[in-house]
Amino acid sequence: ILNVEQSPQSLHVQEGDSTNFTCSFPSSNFYALHWYRWETAKSPEALFVMTLNGDEKKKGRISATLNTKEGYSYLYIKGSQPEDSATYLCAFTGSARQLTFGSGTQLTVLP
Amino acid sequence: NAGVMQNPRHLVRRRGQEARLRCSPMKGHSHVYWYRQLPEEGLKFMVYLQKENIIDESGMPKERFSAEFPKEGPSILRIQQVVRGDSAAYFCASSPPNQLSSGANVLTFGAGSRLTVL
Repeated sequence: ILNVEQSPQSLHVQEGDSTNFTCSFPSSNFYALHWYRWETAKSPEALFVMTLNGDEKKKGRISATLNTKEGYSYLYIKGSQPEDSATYLCAFTGSARQLTFGSGTQLTVLP
Repeated sequence: NAGVMQNPRHLVRRRGQEARLRCSPMKGHSHVYWYRQLPEEGLKFMVYLQKENIIDESGMPKERFSAEFPKEGPSILRIQQVVRGDSAAYFCASSPPNQLSSGANVLTFGAGSRLTVL
């Protein structure tokens, strides 16, 4: 059984604050690490896929880093806005090639 | 370019009945994945299929659940003799073919099918 852990489980921040959350995953048999954004009543949407140790990806105010040796990834949001409120999921792909999702971090940005 | 289409969006069944959930992948996508979200839980992998082929069904319960992705038509997740514990949201996702492997492919998710077993 693969353990993909995300922390914190939920988070409330004020508009304009920067924040980050963590995804930890098995460091062996690593193939890829994905981040998805899931808004209430919608489908999960892909943010990033990272495959190489040290990878950093950025999309607007959101960025992510990857450390495959120690098995963690960070997602950063700079200057949070209310529209960033969503559940952020990470997913690990190992040798089995299917995605194993964490339980997500539920972010609420207060205006 | 329609996304991943799932139907029905909501399905109500009585215990013992059968539930069939359908998923049409995005155009050009040949890989289909089914995930289940139980109440208060995250997305749990069930099965990964390509056309006419089950690649990985390690997440499927051993009994009553089956999945197919025929040459023509949508992928179908079938649950026989449903029980209350099958009540969940079932999400389908698709990805394009990848010459190297499918692990780094981005998944496009459907809106989900919510099954309620009375």
